[in-house]
Amino acid sequence: AQTVTQSQPEMSVQEAETVTLSCTYDTSESNYYLFWYKQPPSRQMILVIRQEAYKQQNATENRFSVNFQKAAKSFSLKISDSQLGDTAMYFCAFIPRGGGATNKLIFGTGTLLAVQP
Amino acid sequence: DADVTQTPRNRITKTGKRIMLECSQTKGHDRMYWYRQDPGLGLQLIYYSFDVKDINKGEISDGYSVSRQAQAKFSLSLESAIPNQTALYFCATSEGLSEGETQYFGPGTRLLVL
Repeated sequence: AQTVTQSQPEMSVQEAETVTLSCTYDTSESNYYLFWYKQPPSRQMILVIRQEAYKQQNATENRFSVNFQKAAKSFSLKISDSQLGDTAMYFCAFIPRGGGATNKLIFGTGTLLAVQP
Repeated sequence: DADVTQTPRNRITKTGKRIMLECSQTKGHDRMYWYRQDPGLGLQLIYYSFDVKDINKGEISDGYSVSRQAQAKFSLSLESAIPNQTALYFCATSEGLSEGETQYFGPGTRLLVL
């Protein structure tokens, strides 16, 4: 079975500081995609960043970057210069290349990040 | 304008009522999905569609049905709503492998079944 685990239910960070959210996953697939989605209080599910498993280079999007360790099946999200607007639930998600048997995104249970002023 | 829209945004209904949640997209994607989010359970896939003539059940399809009226429209129906269908419902779209299997979500519909 393919699973995604986020071991930090809640985290807190001071404004302008850096925070890292952890995610591990389990799969026997060799080609897949990993994502971080953000869900603010407005409840919209917003794509933050995408990583392709066959690419060794870690993805970056402005203040957001990932540390992808394929052998360890680890996919952490680093948020630099945290802003109050980063306060949200963050979900790690996985999908095999081609969608796999279920064609669904497999989500972790989320990490609630609070950015303190 | 938003690329993926959902109506209604909030809905309160009574047990046994039939309700429909609607999703429209302007992204031009062929693939559309309906997910359900419950606290602490992440998102679960209800149905998905790869084109107008292709409808597939997800992991929790019991009690739900869907209709793909056009490439841009995908509706979810609860034929006889029950309280444990109270949840946040998301529609999503995807272009599949050409965009790295990325799924783009609508704003969600919060449903309360009394």
